[in-house]
Amino acid sequence: DQQVKQNSPSLSVQEGRISILNCDYTNSMFDYFLWYKKYPAEGPTFLISISSIKDKNEDGRFTVFLNKSAKHLSLHIVPSQPGDSAVYFCAASARGTASKLTFGTGTRLQVTL
Amino acid sequence: GAVVSQHPSRVICKSGTSVKIECRSLDFQATTMFWYRQFPKQSLMLMATSNEGSKATYEQGVEKDKFLINHASLTLSTLTVTSAHPEDSSFYICSARDPNSGEPKNIQYFGAGTRLSVL
Repeated sequence: DQQVKQNSPSLSVQEGRISILNCDYTNSMFDYFLWYKKYPAEGPTFLISISSIKDKNEDGRFTVFLNKSAKHLSLHIVPSQPGDSAVYFCAASARGTASKLTFGTGTRLQVTL
Repeated sequence: GAVVSQHPSRVICKSGTSVKIECRSLDFQATTMFWYRQFPKQSLMLMATSNEGSKATYEQGVEKDKFLINHASLTLSTLTVTSAHPEDSSFYICSARDPNSGEPKNIQYFGAGTRLSVL
């Protein structure tokens, strides 16, 4: 049972344009959401997070939007840069679970010149 | 952010041998560390939660006698794959939380991972 889903396995975006990565979840107990970036043969690197009490969090070129009613979140990267090319994982945690993270399957972003 | 070091980065071993993977928090004390496994083109699957000074909590379906976890200090957790077999070949990644980092508290910082290949 995949509780966190990233339905797009890959995405290609031109440099300078906006990248939008989507994530859906099914567990209504999730109250904290995170995005990680991962290069091959490396561990994930934390990018940005959002609490369920908010609907938007922004950090530089990265913005995460949360739609609780739709159980959907998205990561916007603007402007996209070639160095952003990586696999992006959405993750979620539920209150009272000792901060255990449930990860999505990832979306591979390719930023082209 | 906080730094987590994982060693070795790659190990190749014969079937039946045991392999130990170390995970260290370099600039903070981690009361809780996590061990994940990632199969090719799949998500990170949590194997167990390692708690300093107590037994690890394993996820359903993970054999605790197969994957021994020790969290003897606030900066070190080890995962030992005992009597490894080819089906144990995978990418293993550890992570740690910094309890004193303030909000957001749920952030986990990851090691670089260990690629295990069992022949």
